[in-house]
Amino acid sequence: SQTIHQWPATLVQPVGSPLSLECTVEGTSNPNLYWYRQAAGRGLQLLFYSVGIGQISSEVPQNLSASRPQDRQFILSSKKLLLSDSGFYLCAWSDVTEAFFGQGTRLTVV
Amino acid sequence: SQQGEEDPQALSIQEGENATMNCSYKTSINNLQWYRQNSGRGLVHLILIRSNEREKHSGRLRVTLDTSKKSSSLLITASRAADTASYFCATDADSNYQLIWGAGTKLIIKP
Repeated sequence: SQTIHQWPATLVQPVGSPLSLECTVEGTSNPNLYWYRQAAGRGLQLLFYSVGIGQISSEVPQNLSASRPQDRQFILSSKKLLLSDSGFYLCAWSDVTEAFFGQGTRLTVV
Repeated sequence: SQQGEEDPQALSIQEGENATMNCSYKTSINNLQWYRQNSGRGLVHLILIRSNEREKHSGRLRVTLDTSKKSSSLLITASRAADTASYFCATDADSNYQLIWGAGTKLIIKP
């Protein structure tokens, strides 16, 4: 069965520090991968998606970047965090009929 | 971008009552999905309804789809306290399997 792992669950980082959130998928190959951000009490904002290794599409210009070094690994990064980067980040993969989500990372930039 | 719009934004009902949430979308779709999110957790897929279907059931869930009105509803019957969560609709966007998400309905079931 397919499994998606996302870590860490919570993270507190100072302004200006770097960020690296990792997501890995098991049980499927060549998945479409996504990074979303969710503000409190709001819907999902698509940040990046990837249809293959090294193929990244950005939906929103921002202080973040994404990379896919391996087929089932998706990384969200920042060189210098801003206060506005605080939020709940979700990794997901999907097929035609369903999206599967990680448990999310609560990022607080202080 | 967001296509789906759920209403109400928040819904509070007594345990045992039925809960109905609605979703509207703007463009043509192949399917519409409903997801549930417990507080601080990832989303979990509940049910998918295809554009050629009008109604679908799964346990206490009933989903309807009206493509002429570009709307869908999710009915949870005999609600339980454990149904407290946020519920989101999502529609397919293009061949890259992007889903377009609504802002969600926060459902609170009072014991």
